[in-house]
Amino acid sequence: QVQLVQSGAEVKKPGASVKVSCKASGYTFTSYYMHWVRQAPGQGLEWMGIINPSGGSTSYAQKFQGRVTMTRDTSTSTVYMELSSLRSEDTAVYYCAREYSSSSLDYWGQGTLVTVSS
Amino acid sequence: QSALTQPPSASGSPGQSVTISCTGTSSDVGGYNYVSWYQQHPGKAPKLMIYEVSKRPSGVPDRFSGSKSGNTASLTVSGLQAEDEADYYCSSYAGSNNFLCVFGTGTKVTVL
Repeated sequence: QVQLVQSGAEVKKPGASVKVSCKASGYTFTSYYMHWVRQAPGQGLEWMGIINPSGGSTSYAQKFQGRVTMTRDTSTSTVYMELSSLRSEDTAVYYCAREYSSSSLDYWGQGTLVTVSS
Repeated sequence: QSALTQPPSASGSPGQSVTISCTGTSSDVGGYNYVSWYQQHPGKAPKLMIYEVSKRPSGVPDRFSGSKSGNTASLTVSGLQAEDEADYYCSSYAGSNNFLCVFGTGTKVTVL
């Protein structure tokens, strides 16, 4: 069965970086794009970007351009999302999610809580 | 790019129907037949309920249906059940490299 398993919760200081992993299993890793979506406490969903696990190409939401980097490791079927220059507003649950068809996301990771606090 | 607009809340009694709207622009909802709907229970990851405006993934009850007219998409939940109480988010493909996907503001559905 398809599973996306994310790394554990992180606590970071303002200005630091965080790298969240998402390990995929149960399907051909390189056949489906992967998105990253975040959700601040009590808030809605916010799209961050997408990576093509096959070639590694990426597209990022304009809001995160210059601060986010998405990468993948095909040998371990894992995608990564690194967010730098963290500020308190980046405190959120970060999800990876597999794209089924044009931005519809059929499988989601369990989420990773990133807390930014001094 | 702004979030798609949804009503903050909707409610209905068990067995009734509730419809949630999702309003965007011609650059997203109106421009593509790629609207999705997600259900999210507290503390859980979102679950895909509808994709490509009106298609249901395997395992989603046919009580859930989607439609679109112009720049507004809608999700209807018929025969409301207690377990349908959740937050619902729409999303749309937006066609721009820097904004491929835009989500709605979210609607809290309460089963009375």
